[in-house]
Amino acid sequence: DAGVIQSPRHEVTEMGQEVTLRCKPISGHDYLFWYRQTMMRGLELLIYFNNNVPIDDSGMPEDRFSAKMPNASFSTLKIQPSEPRDSAVYFCASSPFQGGGLTDTQYFGPGTRLTVL
Amino acid sequence: DAKTTQPTSMDCAEGRAANLPCNHSTISGNEYVYWYRQIHSQGPQYIIHGLKNNETNEMASLIITEDRKSSTLILPHATLRDTAVYYCIVRPKNSGNTPLVFGKGTRLSVIA
Repeated sequence: DAGVIQSPRHEVTEMGQEVTLRCKPISGHDYLFWYRQTMMRGLELLIYFNNNVPIDDSGMPEDRFSAKMPNASFSTLKIQPSEPRDSAVYFCASSPFQGGGLTDTQYFGPGTRLTVL
Repeated sequence: DAKTTQPTSMDCAEGRAANLPCNHSTISGNEYVYWYRQIHSQGPQYIIHGLKNNETNEMASLIITEDRKSSTLILPHATLRDTAVYYCIVRPKNSGNTPLVFGKGTRLSVIA
């Protein structure tokens, strides 16, 4: 399995531009998570999906951020308009559902390093 | 709020065992202890988890004290590639695939 795939790996854009980050989860995983990592705040959750449905988006900073999961193999995180404070590494992770009292393991992608000038 | 306390940084000589402590004094009976690590410029990687018994896999061992208020992750023979930030995370037993809450972790430097 190729693991979680994210694109692009690096993105440099100017303030005010629209940015779209993409994620392909591991096949068969029911859950998809978007995290953001900055020096100041560390790793923090933005939003997560179960079977393509958003479950918790309380971590999304503001209306400039939106995330979609149109099918089980693809998700996007969009920032419009982007601002310098959005500069961070954005990680996507997926996990399989594990019932029967077993807990899950999350598999992370390599991340997208976003720089907003 | 993270429910764990870890040292900010540690050093370990290559080939020696690395012992990374974690304090989770408020852990409840239905919470697991998870360990993830993040190598520079990569996404976090799952290492191991446990409830109350000691656990071992191909990557590491996890020792949980009898009162479950602390644990130690052991890398038996550390290599330079084990240099990373190690996160200790407490999660409910039946978490239902809930998100991970990361603290600051321990930055482990393995030295040749």
